[in-house]
Amino acid sequence: NAGVMQNPRHLVRRRGQEARLRCSPMKGHSHVYWYRQLPEEGLKFMVYLQKENIIDESGMPKERFSAEFPKEGPSILRIQQVVRGDSAAYFCASSPLDSENTEAFFGQGTRLTVV
Amino acid sequence: DQQVKQNSPSLSVQEGRISILNCDYTNSMFDYFLWYKKYPAEGPTFLISISSIKDKNEDGRFTVFLNKSAKHLSLHIVPSQPGDSAVYFCAARPSNTGKLIFGQGTTLQVKP
Repeated sequence: NAGVMQNPRHLVRRRGQEARLRCSPMKGHSHVYWYRQLPEEGLKFMVYLQKENIIDESGMPKERFSAEFPKEGPSILRIQQVVRGDSAAYFCASSPLDSENTEAFFGQGTRLTVV
Repeated sequence: DQQVKQNSPSLSVQEGRISILNCDYTNSMFDYFLWYKKYPAEGPTFLISISSIKDKNEDGRFTVFLNKSAKHLSLHIVPSQPGDSAVYFCAARPSNTGKLIFGQGTTLQVKP
């Protein structure tokens, strides 16, 4: 049973380019969460998605960031016109349910570096 | 507004002794608490959790204690092993949601 798969593991972008981060949840999991970890900080919640629905995007920056979880395929976190401050580790987590006492399983993360 | 706080950035203990990691929270609406362990360049790995209706949960060498009146939880690792050296994150889940609010993390070093 494969875990949460994120790709790429490392991504380098120049300022102004677009970054696309992918996350395939664990088999049987229909809930996906994205978190961002800035250097020397804890993980900050960004967005919570179910298939074809954004449930909670209260942690997403208002501009340049978007997320989707289509009916088919992985969840995508998209950052347009990246800036140096976007450099961070981005983690995806998945869970089977959102209201029961179940833990979320994390992927290995995508480390984005903006140069 | 830091709703989940881990006030000790680092902790060093001797192998075989007890490690105690602490976490404080401010939101009474949290109904579930979790501890994750993280190695460099890897994702967080789930360790142990506790529901807000309990005050203790034990799993092998790991025990989590919850004091709701003090809004405080702690993770006890006994006996500590060098392989336990990692960053430990406390996380809390608001009721009726799946998202997690994380503390800043505590770096544990277990010396042989």
